Amino acid sequence: ETGVTQTPRHLVMGMTNKKSLKCEQHLGHNAMYWYKQSAKKPLELMFVYSLEERVENNSVPSRFSPECPNSSHLFLHLHTLQPEDSALYLCASSQTVFWGEQYFGPGTRLTVT
Amino acid sequence: DAKTTQPNSMESNEEEPVHLPCNHSTISGTDYIHWYRQLPSQGPEYVIHGLTSNVNNRMASLAIAEDRKSSTLILHRATLRDAAVYYCILRDDNQGGKLIFGQGTELSVKP
Repeated sequence: ETGVTQTPRHLVMGMTNKKSLKCEQHLGHNAMYWYKQSAKKPLELMFVYSLEERVENNSVPSRFSPECPNSSHLFLHLHTLQPEDSALYLCASSQTVFWGEQYFGPGTRLTVT
Repeated sequence: DAKTTQPNSMESNEEEPVHLPCNHSTISGTDYIHWYRQLPSQGPEYVIHGLTSNVNNRMASLAIAEDRKSSTLILHRATLRDAAVYYCILRDDNQGGKLIFGQGTELSVKP
């Protein structure tokens, strides 16, 4: 595997479910990011991690819970989501936090029913 | 963060050059101009970036106005695979910072 991978690619969940999105980067980068892309809206930065430490949390509701167990893996734990949370969730990484080129994964298309 | 303005959409014919404009009249002296693109059903990917001088790489060229208040991404020969949303983003690379994505320009390429 190369680059940034995300699983699952598609997810449908009910409002009472709990699920997790996974991101893995094979680039040796130290920073990882979660973005949300809703229909017809620009990408919104949600969370930023640098060497497993969260450095940014952009007023994201607590029903989204990130976890970064090591510099290669990033998770987004989801619980009691709302239909308006349906979106494309993108993971990205960069060599150093907020510097250099960011490499994005293909995203997880989430639908909340 | 300084703001960029791009047309919502543009059309091109295959194998013809494409010039994608970006206005950034409030750019500061240390802002770099970054371009990313997002192909259908994929995450964004880096295209090119520059500060003052024109830049070339294997994907595209970036032409920056002398006053730096505008720039143009140039695809020399558009292919069907270049159909994507193209984002022009400013970032102070001397201090680092977030990539703040706008709406971008949706480029369609006709065969």
